[in-house]
Amino acid sequence: GAGVSQSPSNKVTEKGKDVELRCDPISGHTALYWYRQSLGQGLEFLIYFQGNSAPDKSGLPSDRFSAERTGGSVSTLTIQRTQQEDSAVYLCASRQVRSEQYFGPGTRLTVT
Amino acid sequence: GDSVTQMEGPVTLSEEAFLTINCTYTATGYPSLFWYVQYPGEGLQLLLKATKADDKGSNKGFEATYRKETTSFHLEKGSVQVSDSAVYFCALSDPGGGADGLTFGKGTHLIIQP
Repeated sequence: GAGVSQSPSNKVTEKGKDVELRCDPISGHTALYWYRQSLGQGLEFLIYFQGNSAPDKSGLPSDRFSAERTGGSVSTLTIQRTQQEDSAVYLCASRQVRSEQYFGPGTRLTVT
Repeated sequence: GDSVTQMEGPVTLSEEAFLTINCTYTATGYPSLFWYVQYPGEGLQLLLKATKADDKGSNKGFEATYRKETTSFHLEKGSVQVSDSAVYFCALSDPGGGADGLTFGKGTHLIIQP
């Protein structure tokens, strides 16, 4: 079946602009995760959703970052007033209860 | 908090050589341990996992044993191939520590030369 999909695959934006990154999890997967992969920090966990609820938002790097999930399916990660240090690959993963996480191909964000 | 430490490389080996990539961890709870692999131009894929002490995960000729006494999960393969060239990430999941996400090491870039 279809895997986790993310859009756009690449995004170039100017510093100060807002961006939205989208994740479509595998159908039926109840949990959804966002990670950031950057040269300096490696792979960082940002936030996860169980259904539409995010129990812990402390992994988000700053208050410019927010995420939501609707209908227990699609999730959007929004970065407001982007900064150059936000440049990274943003990865989404999903899983069923007691299974491993399946990762999407990522969105490469470049802030100029 | 939880953390994972692994050798960063790059690690360069000849084909058919023996591979070991070291991984150690710290965790507040009783974590599950994973190795993920990222081939050039592709996304992260689960390679193998172990959920309790002394479990051995294995896949595609790779193995790793969950050692609670040494807090380690070293990745091994007896004879590597050029197609094993990739970045390998050790990771843990520790819901008892609070968040449900994976904590990753910084990745080891493996290069296999023919």
